[in-house]
Amino acid sequence: RKEVEQDPGPFNVPEGATVAFNCTYSNSASQSFFWYRQDCRKEPKLLMSVYSSGNEDGRFTAQLNRASQYISLLIRDSKLSDTATYLCVVNGPWEGYQKVTFGIGTKLQVIP
Amino acid sequence: DARVTQTPRDKVTEMGQEVTMRCQPILGHNTVFWYRQTMMQGLELLAYFRNRAPLDDSGMPKDRFSAEMPDATLATLKIQPSEPRDSAVYFCASGLGSQGYTEAFFGQGTRLTVV
Repeated sequence: RKEVEQDPGPFNVPEGATVAFNCTYSNSASQSFFWYRQDCRKEPKLLMSVYSSGNEDGRFTAQLNRASQYISLLIRDSKLSDTATYLCVVNGPWEGYQKVTFGIGTKLQVIP
Repeated sequence: DARVTQTPRDKVTEMGQEVTMRCQPILGHNTVFWYRQTMMQGLELLAYFRNRAPLDDSGMPKDRFSAEMPDATLATLKIQPSEPRDSAVYFCASGLGSQGYTEAFFGQGTRLTVV
């Protein structure tokens, strides 16, 4: 089983739709979680951190489910500008050091 | 507008040649990461440094890759000898933190092609 798993997609959704991505992780001791966004041929940029209580930033909502070991990202009212790849990041202790693992990313295409 | 600077942006080299990639982290950041991204594997952490000391380089093939921070304003990643399977985009990122993972600000990447 991979340490961090994401559905690579692509998810093709119409403008205005709501779309959700999940990301599962295998290390139950993982401590911090993030979502990054990467535009085509660009560098990844932090979209939002994921807090235990869940957090919202405008149209974006991130949730953490420790029992089932997954994080989610919900995008409401999708815009054309949301087209990108969304990467989840998991950090936690692993064999004596802090390990950072990126998921492979989920590609989102918002269509007019 | 502070940003991470990577050079070169693109590099084409022949198999067996040495490749050196350079990174200037954001001034004041104490954590530097090197990542490699391919279509098949996604983004892989190769190495990371805190206060110039290597904390984790378990993701880096030790026989041909080396990462160093000669000073706080420069990080280098070397591949010697390079192989076609090293073709990828290499990102450097920097951050500020005392423990654990911090937000990483990425450079624009070096697109390496080994022929």
